[in-house]
Amino acid sequence: TQLLEQSPQFLSIQEGENLTVYCNSSSVFSSLQWYRQEPGEGPVLLVTVVTGGEVKKLKRLTFQFGDARKDSSLHITAAQPGDTGLYLCAPQGAQKLVFGQGTRLTINP
Amino acid sequence: DAGITQSPRYKITETGRQVTLMCHQTWSHSYMFWYRQDLGHGLRLIYYSAAADITDKGEVPDGYVVSRSKTENFPLTLESATRSQTSVYFCASRTWGSGTEAFFGQGTRLTVV
Repeated sequence: TQLLEQSPQFLSIQEGENLTVYCNSSSVFSSLQWYRQEPGEGPVLLVTVVTGGEVKKLKRLTFQFGDARKDSSLHITAAQPGDTGLYLCAPQGAQKLVFGQGTRLTINP
Repeated sequence: DAGITQSPRYKITETGRQVTLMCHQTWSHSYMFWYRQDLGHGLRLIYYSAAADITDKGEVPDGYVVSRSKTENFPLTLESATRSQTSVYFCASRTWGSGTEAFFGQGTRLTVV
């Protein structure tokens, strides 16, 4: 069973600040997905990263897949209150879809 | 309506009762999943299914039963509900293949009293 660790577990910052959250494992992934869950809703896919070293941008969000495909990071520039939510990473390659415990992000106006 | 729907949205039941949570998807996705999410935590996989009549255990299967006689439906049954099963339950589906997007239902908030 691969162990996924997301850090930090909780993060509360002011609007306009930058932040980075991490998803780490000892296992190699064929690809990895990031989801965001807003309060009262189910998670929604943000991005899938496939290639080691890959960087993908989604507006103010930048996702990076580690060169060894064991870790990933999500960087948010100039955070907005709308970025508030639970950010979950999920490795791909197996039949079952298992998530890390998530980073709960709160952006304060 | 197209999509994935869960019912009921809210349920209160008593300890020891049997409860079934329903999940229905209209895309004919191969894979379906059940998760529980406890207050302030991430998602833990209970059971998943790769196709009709094929199911397998996830991380926390004890106390739960699933079936999948039709591709579009994946009910989750708590045979004898316990207070520790109070949680929000999410169903998800995705098509076959690594890296495909999973789509989630709105969740069922279950309280066991």
